[in-house]
Amino acid sequence: DSGVTQTPKHLITATGQRVTLRCSPRSGDLSVYWYQQSLDQGLQFLIHYYNGEERAKGNILERFSAQQFPDLHSELNLSSLELGDSALYFCASSVGSQTGNQPQHFGDGTRLSIL
Amino acid sequence: GIQVEQSPPDLILQEGANSTLRCNFSDSVNNLQWFHQNPWGQLINLFYIPSGTKQNGRLSATTVATERYSLLYISSSQTTDSGVYFCAVNRDDKIIFGKGTRLHILP
Repeated sequence: DSGVTQTPKHLITATGQRVTLRCSPRSGDLSVYWYQQSLDQGLQFLIHYYNGEERAKGNILERFSAQQFPDLHSELNLSSLELGDSALYFCASSVGSQTGNQPQHFGDGTRLSIL
Repeated sequence: GIQVEQSPPDLILQEGANSTLRCNFSDSVNNLQWFHQNPWGQLINLFYIPSGTKQNGRLSATTVATERYSLLYISSSQTTDSGVYFCAVNRDDKIIFGKGTRLHILP
């Protein structure tokens, strides 16, 4: 058990809809990272938050947004969903603030299927 | 942008065999991590290794930053080692993953 909790585990929705994925980091971790894993794109870094502030952006689409709340949980919002957004979305957490500079601990992922 | 290449793409081994997985990167990086994704899809951080050598049980990793590569060694493979092994590098606050090496350990 990594200590990182992601909900929901599975999500099925239709094109054009909006969904919210939730992540609770390990106790004591201040950084949260979001990743997308799809068959055609592989694993991609989306965004990194540290203690409520955005630290780094990767290949995150404009239709996607994220935030980290004062209790350190994070949400990834995906809107105007397209078939190509079907993927496994991972959240990871780490202690420090530097992007990717410390070991990351992953949640089990949310599998998003767009019909 | 920086390119991360992993080899081999696929590897099939008998239980008990040793293996070496390679990760090449095209430019200097701030750090490098190795991950294992098991057949159930769970991602596990194996090593955070920007340089040098680390060992954890049957697994060890070496990164030679000046030559832009990292190696992951798995000794005495077990069926539970099956899955996909990813390396990921950090550069300019971006994290870039390789496409992975898919490892099948046969009983």
